[in-house]
Amino acid sequence: DTEVTQTPKHLVMGMTNKKSLKCEQHMGHRAMYWYKQKAKKPPELMFVYSYEKLSINESVPSRFSPECPNSSLLNLHLHALQPEDSALYLCASSLVETGLTGEQYFGPGTRLTVT
Amino acid sequence: DAKTTQPNSMESNEEEPVHLPCNHSTISGTDYIHWYRQLPSQGPEYVIHGLTSNVNNRMASLAIAEDRKSSTLILHRATLRDAAVYYCILRDVTGGGNKLTFGTGTQLKVEL
Repeated sequence: DTEVTQTPKHLVMGMTNKKSLKCEQHMGHRAMYWYKQKAKKPPELMFVYSYEKLSINESVPSRFSPECPNSSLLNLHLHALQPEDSALYLCASSLVETGLTGEQYFGPGTRLTVT
Repeated sequence: DAKTTQPNSMESNEEEPVHLPCNHSTISGTDYIHWYRQLPSQGPEYVIHGLTSNVNNRMASLAIAEDRKSSTLILHRATLRDAAVYYCILRDVTGGGNKLTFGTGTQLKVEL
């Protein structure tokens, strides 16, 4: 199974709402990632988790709060978002020891609209 | 992160080979060259990667210049399904190398 699943597929939320995005993989990967992709732009890295610990935070605003409760699951908690946060949120996973390969497996993304 | 430069768009006819160029003149010795593609409404998908030598896999070939300052992704017979944005990425393997920094990519259009 080389699939990364993300739920929900689409999410519309108001600026005062709290919501969460979920990502799951069962490939035994111990590195998991969140990317943000605006329309017609490339994906931008937000967070990296290695062995369930946050290893990279690309200066993301605190209204985005990641969580990695176990080795298969990655969440992104959203609170007090702004309309400019509307984007496709992509989850990916890989081996931690990327060394020679570095292959990341991406999910299909959650399309978020903030109203 | 070292930067890559790619053409914004390219066109190809189905069943013909496609050569997608990438310039990376500031590449360092520890940078691997990766290619990912993103089909419409999907997440990016790994295509191929290499360090110094040319590489082949079931999806594509990667030709790397001798000075490593440029590379070319080769799709041997383009199909409609290959229409996607192709990203050339340099990945520094030191310190774990978990970061992928995507450039602007090349939109490949494939026509019948």
